[in-house]
Amino acid sequence: AQKVTQAQTEISVVEKEDVTLDCVYETRDTTYYLFWYKQPPSGELVFLIRRNSFDEQNEISGRYSWNFQKSTSSFNFTITASQVVDSAVYFCALSFYGGATNKLIFGTGTLLAVQP
Amino acid sequence: DAGVTQSPTHLIKTRGQHVTLRCSPISGHKSVSWYQQVLGQGPQFIFQYYEKEERGRGNFPDRFSARQFPNYSSELNVNALLLGDSALYLCASSPDRGTEAFFGQGTRLTVV
Repeated sequence: AQKVTQAQTEISVVEKEDVTLDCVYETRDTTYYLFWYKQPPSGELVFLIRRNSFDEQNEISGRYSWNFQKSTSSFNFTITASQVVDSAVYFCALSFYGGATNKLIFGTGTLLAVQP
Repeated sequence: DAGVTQSPTHLIKTRGQHVTLRCSPISGHKSVSWYQQVLGQGPQFIFQYYEKEERGRGNFPDRFSARQFPNYSSELNVNALLLGDSALYLCASSPDRGTEAFFGQGTRLTVV
C-alpha cells in the first residue's frame, strides 16, 4: 500500500529561523515520484518540487532545500531564514511512475506559522 | 497563460440535491484530475481523465461522476448530496501522465 506520513501537525517559528518539515512515505514500487505542495489560505495548491525515486540528489532552490533519502523513505523539506509569507499548510505527496494515472497520494499536511 | 480555473468558487447546497463543478485546465494540458479535501486533511483522489477517457478512480461512491470534454475541460457531478460531501474540491491539470499536477483554487462546497 502507498502511504505518506507527515507527523508534524503544526510548527510555529519566529521569522528568520530555519525549519524542517518531515515526510515519510511507504510504497512497494521501485520507481515513483515525490512532491511537495504549498497551500496558502486561498486554498490553491502550489507546486514546489517533484523528485524521481532514482534521483537521490538533494536540491536547493533559493531558501528551499529538499533532502531525499531512500534508505529511510524520507523526503524532508527545509526552509532557511523563514519569512511570514512562508506561513501555509505544506503537503508531501507520492505518485506512481509510468502508470496510466498520475494519482497523487497526499499526507495530512503540516501547518507552518511564521511569526514576525 | 491562465492557470487552472474552477467554477463556482463557493457553493451552498441542501442535502439530497445535485451539484456540478467545472474545471478548465491549463492550455495544452490533456489530463484533468479531481480531488476532495475535507477540512484538516490532505486532498483525496476522486478521478483522473486523460484524452477524454477515465484513467483512474478513487474510493468514492457512485454518486460521484465526471467527464472530460473535447476541449479538455471537465465536470464533476455529485448526486444525492450528503452533509459529509462538504469539502474543498480541487481540480488539477497535467500535460501528460506521470508529470506534476497544477491545481486550481478549488470550489468550496457546503451541504446543509
